[in-house]
Amino acid sequence: KQEVTQIPAALSVPEGENLVLNCSFTDSAIYNLQWFRQDPGKGLTSLLLIQSSQREQTSGRLNASLDKSSGRSTLYIAASQPGDSATYLCAVENGGSYIPTFGRGTSLIVHP
Amino acid sequence: NAGVTQTPKFQVLKTGQSMTLQCAQDMNHNSMYWYRQDPGMGLRLIYYSASEGTTDKGEVPNGYNVSRLNKREFSLRLESAAPSQTSVYFCASSETLDRAYEQYFGPGTRLTVT
Repeated sequence: KQEVTQIPAALSVPEGENLVLNCSFTDSAIYNLQWFRQDPGKGLTSLLLIQSSQREQTSGRLNASLDKSSGRSTLYIAASQPGDSATYLCAVENGGSYIPTFGRGTSLIVHP
Repeated sequence: NAGVTQTPKFQVLKTGQSMTLQCAQDMNHNSMYWYRQDPGMGLRLIYYSASEGTTDKGEVPNGYNVSRLNKREFSLRLESAAPSQTSVYFCASSETLDRAYEQYFGPGTRLTVT
């Protein structure tokens, strides 16, 4: 059974810092990996989707990388802003199942 | 275009009471999903519907039933609520099951069972 782990569980940083969120998964036979953002009291919004054949994806100040062989992905946020404060979840889609498996998330606070 | 809507937003139930959570989408999606999210946990799939007329169990289906009323609506029913079902419930939809990675999520229903 696929297991997805996110480290750290919580992070508090001053504005302007570059930061890295980590996601690891136990079964490397994945179709894709996705990073979501969840604001308090809201649903999930997709940030970046990396297909299994890709190594990274970029959107603005966000960069996500994927290393299937080691079962790891990182989400890099450049020049963090208070508006980046949210919970970030990682989800993997496994071979043989279309339904993604979610990690527990990293709760990020960026303070001015 | 409202996307995915869920009602109610909040609900408090006593143990043993029943209720139905409603979900509707206006994107003409075929597939719909129900998840629960507990504090400090990721989302866990309860049930899903690949297309109108079909439903399947997810990871944690016990204590729940679902109905895919039509293409737009997918409801989740708790027949006899238990404190362990206190959670935030999210509904989501995608164009098809094989595009489950492109799910659109509703805002959630916060349920407390006392």
